[in-house]
Amino acid sequence: GAVVSQHPSRVICKSGTSVKIECRSLDFQATTMFWYRQFPKQSLMLMATSNEGSKATYEQGVEKDKFLINHASLTLSTLTVTSAHPEDSSFYICSARGAAGVNWNEQFFGPGTRLTVL
Amino acid sequence: QQPVQSPQAVILREGEDAVINCSSSKALYSVHWYRQKHGEAPVFLMILLKGGEQKGHDKISASFNEKKQQSSLYLTASQLSYSGTYFCGTEITGAGSYQLTFGKGTKLSVIP
Repeated sequence: GAVVSQHPSRVICKSGTSVKIECRSLDFQATTMFWYRQFPKQSLMLMATSNEGSKATYEQGVEKDKFLINHASLTLSTLTVTSAHPEDSSFYICSARGAAGVNWNEQFFGPGTRLTVL
Repeated sequence: QQPVQSPQAVILREGEDAVINCSSSKALYSVHWYRQKHGEAPVFLMILLKGGEQKGHDKISASFNEKKQQSSLYLTASQLSYSGTYFCGTEITGAGSYQLTFGKGTKLSVIP
């Protein structure tokens, strides 16, 4: 149990286009989802925290108008990178924290999405 | 505030032991340990909660010293599959946001 999926796993896009990444909790309800970004050989940096039905809370330095997060249901959160530029190329990982049925302390990570902006 | 991990990197021969440390300047509610292999997402190892607990499974165990705001991950009789980068994620007491702040990671290489 406690599986989190991400789609797509890999995306290559042209500069200026927008990319949407989906994060789904497959067998539990995720009350909170987190979005991280990881550059090569670096740590995971939290971008934003989202709770179902409310606006995401962004970390300092993360542009909320550029990285749009929608947590429309208890099993789905989306991250849209708008007007992507090469410096946005990174590994984006989501994680989900549930309530009933899973250890609520634990964050379950998705497999990640590798974004390359040309 | 980002927890500090040490060492940054370690090379072991199969069967050797290793300890990875994670320390914070903030009062911690929990410490989460993950292992990440190149190009993959982090894989959960274990959580330690405030109260100073110790946990383990197989040959990987961890301790949490609440007073020192430190956690240590112990890898015994290492196997080739243990290779990867280990991250600790810390949750601060009273934050209420369930957010984890990750250390910079410890790269572990196990060689035959």
